[in-house]
Amino acid sequence: AQRVTQPEKLLSVFKGAPVELKCNYSYSGSPELFWYVQYSRQRLQLLLRHISRESIKGFTADLNKGETSFHLKKPFAQEEDSAMYYCALRQGGYQKVTFGIGTKLQVIP
Amino acid sequence: DGGITQSPKYLFRKEGQNVTLSCEQNLNHDAMYWYRQDPGQGLRLIYYSQIVNDFQKGDIAEGYSVSREKKESFPLTVTSAQKNPTAFYLCASSITTDTDTQYFGPGTRLTVL
Repeated sequence: AQRVTQPEKLLSVFKGAPVELKCNYSYSGSPELFWYVQYSRQRLQLLLRHISRESIKGFTADLNKGETSFHLKKPFAQEEDSAMYYCALRQGGYQKVTFGIGTKLQVIP
Repeated sequence: DGGITQSPKYLFRKEGQNVTLSCEQNLNHDAMYWYRQDPGQGLRLIYYSQIVNDFQKGDIAEGYSVSREKKESFPLTVTSAQKNPTAFYLCASSITTDTDTQYFGPGTRLTVL
């Protein structure tokens, strides 16, 4: 069965400090990985996905199949980055998506 | 924010009553999903539907039922068999491609008294 692990429920960093939100997964096939974000009083929305290899709002994430990880990184945290972040995995070719429990990022001014 | 709506925002029901949560989308998406969001547990999949008149159980389907009679609508019924129904419920939709992403509604907070 597929599984997504986000080991930190809360991550607090100072403004300007680097951020790394950890995500590990277990899945035997070819996974599709996503990061979703939920800002206060807003809907859950897609932040980025591994196949796009893009940087959104300064965030990047690299799929490491050897370590089965998809950590989300940003070199300099901003106050507006404070939000709940969810890592998600989808089996290739299927619609079912499995979410992690989420990590609350708190950026301290 | 448009495209996918859920109503009502807050819902209260007495224990033992069935209750139906609405989810509508005008994005022309084939796939729709229902999740339950609890503190410390993230999102857990209840049911999903890839196409009209078809749906599959997710990880926590017991005590819930759905229907998909129209492409735009995917209502969720929380039955009296659900042991702990008080939660925040999220509906989502996506295009059925290999690289699609999910678009989420604003959610419904159900409280069973």
